[in-house]
Parts: sequence; C-alpha cells; structure tokens
Amino acid sequence: GAVVSQHPSWVICKSGTSVKIECRSLDFQATTMFWYRQFPKQSLMLMATSNEGSKATYEQGVEKDKFLINHASLTLSTLTVTSAHPEDSSFYICSARSGLAGTTTAYEQYFGPGTRLTVT
Amino acid sequence: RKEVEQDPGPFNVPEGATVAFNCTYSNSASQSFFWYRQDCRKEPKLLMSVYSSGNEDGRFTAQLNRASQYISLLIRDSKLSDSATYLCVVNSFTTSGTYKYIFGTGTRLKVLA
Repeated sequence: GAVVSQHPSWVICKSGTSVKIECRSLDFQATTMFWYRQFPKQSLMLMATSNEGSKATYEQGVEKDKFLINHASLTLSTLTVTSAHPEDSSFYICSARSGLAGTTTAYEQYFGPGTRLTVT
Repeated sequence: RKEVEQDPGPFNVPEGATVAFNCTYSNSASQSFFWYRQDCRKEPKLLMSVYSSGNEDGRFTAQLNRASQYISLLIRDSKLSDSATYLCVVNSFTTSGTYKYIFGTGTRLKVLA
C-alpha cells in the first residue's frame, strides 16, 4: 500500500512555543490530506481537511488560527500548533488520499505513523 | 447519538476463540465502510474494507447490512497477536460536499494465552 510519513514522531515543547509537524506521501500524489487528533482512550477526531493549493477546511470547534495547515504541494502538508499549551498534548495523525479533490468517489486514506506531542 | 457507535469492550477471549464486533452508523448516505486495527500508541492500519455482499480475508469476515446500518467483524481462531483496538470507520458524505472518515471509538480486544 501507499506510504505516508510524519516528522517528528514525537516532540516535547514548552508552553507558548510553536510546533510544526510534517506529513509526506512518499510514493503517490495526495490531493487531499487530513489531520486527526487522538486523546488517550479516545478515537481519532478529524481536525481539518486540506486540498493541495487551497485553504484547509476545519471541523467545528477547531481553531484555525491555532492549528495552521499548509498543503503547498501534492506530497507535503504541514500542521503548525501555535502557542502550544498542555491541553494540546495529544497524538496527531495525518492521512493522505490520492483521489481527485471535490469528487464524490470514496478513496482510501493512508495514515502516517503519528506524532506524539507533549507540551510541558 | 454518535455517528458511529461501537461497544468499547474490552473483550477478553482465550486463544482460539471466535469473537464478533458490531458497529452501527447513523448516516444512511454513507458510501464505504472499513475496519481498521490500531495498536497501542500507533496509527490505525486498514484491516479490511466491508462490502454489502460480505467479505472474508483469512480468519476475518466482515458483513454490512445497509438496511439496518450495521457492520460486523468476525475473528475466528483468535491469536495473541490479534490483541488490539478495532476501529469501525464509515466514509460519509458531508453537508460541505466532501467525503470524510468517521471513526468509532474502537473495541478493545485482548486475546489471552
């Protein structure tokens, strides 16, 4: 199957700093990438959907000014957690889909290995 | 009501047992369905897609009942390595005109020696 990488795999930062997480599709072009967050013992919650070259669509309750998403190329999307606080500590997972943006066909998503963020 | 509901478990079963997980979804316009497996502190990995006709992959059998909006996963001859959380995933059409995955909370399985 398709391979998606994330970097870093884990990060510890101090409260108030910003953290950038990269998501790359290694062997296919990802027209759409998704960012999820998972708290302990909970399921994955979609934060935002990004299509290459356009602004991300954020889910209700997710602050777009706090979680900055950039999808500048067909193989790279970044999530920046700005002014991180301890409550932002979580497991952040990206996924990538190769289907054409805006179509109604359901394409499979390929998940990255996740980034564990701890804010102290 | 949650869009995708699963019994969180845990299900503790002996090796060799058969175990079944169920999942219900609320959006009748959902298009595709999957079972993912997630190990502790890892990303979800696709176990199998679920088709209306039912499908089997080795010891795993998935069933979909669109009329009842119900999905199941059957694991036969459980192995210790099957211990994980099993996520029911529904790909649903949203009001914004896109498809997105909706995850259930997962069912924890522990296979005991």
